[in-house]
Amino acid sequence: EVRLAQPGVEVKKPGESLKISCKTYGYSFSRYWIAWVRQMPGKGLEWMGIINPGDPDTRYSPSFQGQVTISADKSISTAYLQWTSLKASDTAIYYCARRNMDWNYIDYWGQGTLVTVSS
Amino acid sequence: EIVMTQSPATLSVSPGERVTLSCRASQSISSHLAWYQQKPGQAPTLLIHGASTRATGIPARFSGSGSETEFTLTISSLQSEDFAVYYCQEHNSWPPTFGQGTKVEIK
Repeated sequence: EVRLAQPGVEVKKPGESLKISCKTYGYSFSRYWIAWVRQMPGKGLEWMGIINPGDPDTRYSPSFQGQVTISADKSISTAYLQWTSLKASDTAIYYCARRNMDWNYIDYWGQGTLVTVSS
Repeated sequence: EIVMTQSPATLSVSPGERVTLSCRASQSISSHLAWYQQKPGQAPTLLIHGASTRATGIPARFSGSGSETEFTLTISSLQSEDFAVYYCQEHNSWPPTFGQGTKVEIK
């Protein structure tokens, strides 16, 4: 069974750093790109970027380029999303997801990590 | 970026009714369109990809159609578990973009 496991909640203060994880199970981690998708409170879905754990080649949406870092450790089948200095506007749910092998759509989703940034 | 526009924003429907949701792309995306369902407090799930191919395990009451810039998701007979927000997403370009969603609510 394909599964992507994320921590449920992270609470941080503005200016703090954060690295959230996405541990995968049930498939060959290096064969599928992992995507990160943001959902701000009460809003829609936004692709942030993707990583090919086998390379690791990484691509970012222009809106997120330079704002976050996506990485992966194939030895433990885990992908990461990282911030160096959080802002209140980073408050959102962040989903990791498995990208389809051939096209940029998502076939499996993690349950999401709610990141709350507040002083 | 390709802009995806969904209509209507909200649809009030009774169980058993047929539902049609629309999605328009700002430029041609061939058949590279996916639909997702998101229930409150849950992650989205994939319903349709390639405009008309149902994902594994998706009931036959869900169907997708369209090409180029105009797409439709149809639910032939709405069940109680289908009340949710539905998103379209083009998978033809980088970055992929989602529509703003259509909320299907109980009438």
